[in-house]
Amino acid sequence: QITLKESGPTLVKPTQTLTLTCTFSGFSLRTSGVGVGWIRQPPGKAPEWLALIFWDDDKRYSPSLQSRLTITKDTSNNQVVLIMTNMDPVDTGTYYCWRSDLDHWGQGTLVTVSS
Amino acid sequence: EIVLTQSPATLSLSPGETATLSCRASQSVSIYLAWYQQKPGLAPRLLIYDASNRATGIPARFSGSGSGTDFTLTISSLEPEDFAVYYCQQRSHWPPGFTFGPGTKVDIK
Repeated sequence: QITLKESGPTLVKPTQTLTLTCTFSGFSLRTSGVGVGWIRQPPGKAPEWLALIFWDDDKRYSPSLQSRLTITKDTSNNQVVLIMTNMDPVDTGTYYCWRSDLDHWGQGTLVTVSS
Repeated sequence: EIVLTQSPATLSLSPGETATLSCRASQSVSIYLAWYQQKPGLAPRLLIYDASNRATGIPARFSGSGSGTDFTLTISSLEPEDFAVYYCQQRSHWPPGFTFGPGTKVDIK
């Protein structure tokens, strides 16, 4: 059974850096074709894809946010980490971890940016 | 950059009726378009991929069609559990990657 779970702070201050961790089970990021990424959704708005990392360490980023994002993987511990710098209140929303090739989603974690 | 437009923004229908949702891309995405359903408090659920293929476990009343820039999601004979928000998503172009449309809300008339 494939599961993904997001963890990280629920509240960050403007200008701070957000670090989110996706811990997954039921598959390996060493397997060819597998990709794990992040999608966020502001309250009441459409989802927005952020970043994706593949089994071969190929990394893709949303062009509009690329300068603020870093995605890495820890294959041994079945984790993917997303770092987003210079957080702003408009970054408030639910952040989902997502396996791209089979379209499995985590339950999401709400991140609020406020002073 | 590819922009997806969905229409209508809201669709008010009764159970048993047919819903027809539209998604238009600003440039061709070939067949690489997906449809998602989202209910409050839950992650989006994949319904259709590659324009017309139902994802695993999706009922046959959901069907997708189209190619290039114009796509349609049809929900035949709406069930009570189908009232939700539907998003289209393109998977064709890098960048920008996996762009989502703004969504169509299907609510009960």
